[in-house]
Amino acid sequence: SQTIHQWPATLVQPVGSPLSLECTVEGTSNPNLYWYRQAAGRGLQLLFYSVGIGQISSEVPQNLSASRPQDRQFILSSKKLLLSDSGFYLCAWTSGGRTEAFFGQGTRLTVV
Amino acid sequence: GQSLEQPSEVTAVEGAIVQINCTYQTSGFYGLSWYQQHDGGAPTFLSYNGLDGLEEKGRFSSFLSRSDSYGYLLLQELQMKDSASYFCAGPSSNTGKLIFGQGTTLQVKP
Repeated sequence: SQTIHQWPATLVQPVGSPLSLECTVEGTSNPNLYWYRQAAGRGLQLLFYSVGIGQISSEVPQNLSASRPQDRQFILSSKKLLLSDSGFYLCAWTSGGRTEAFFGQGTRLTVV
Repeated sequence: GQSLEQPSEVTAVEGAIVQINCTYQTSGFYGLSWYQQHDGGAPTFLSYNGLDGLEEKGRFSSFLSRSDSYGYLLLQELQMKDSASYFCAGPSSNTGKLIFGQGTTLQVKP
């Protein structure tokens, strides 16, 4: 069966510090991978989308970046965090053209 | 542009039926899916409509009309545990990027 792992679950980081969130998928190959951010009580904002290794589509201008070094690994990074980067970050995957997405547990990031 | 519109809040009583609508504007449409998210948790997949019509899964059903660019999620025999946010989602274009609506918060009252 397919599973998705995302870590850490919670993170408190000072302004200006770097960030690295990792997501891995098991049990499937060549998944479409996504990073979303959700502010409290709000919808899911698509940040990055990837259809394959090294293929990243950036949706929102920001100080975040994403990388896909392996087929089932997706990393969200920042060199210097801003207060506005606080939120709930979610990694997800889909297969092919279907819109059935599976989410990781999420990372609650607080920038202080 | 690509967008999905849904009501922000819906309130219903336990045992009732509630319908959450979703209208969309996307190109290269490949289907509409629905997700449930409880406070503090990640969204979980509920249903998917790739073709017009009704899909039934127990107490939850979902409907799609591609000609009307419209779908809905129907929740029957509401229970307190159904209190959550519900999101419709669809691809934004022929690339298949998954875009979500802003979510509908359902409050079930006793």
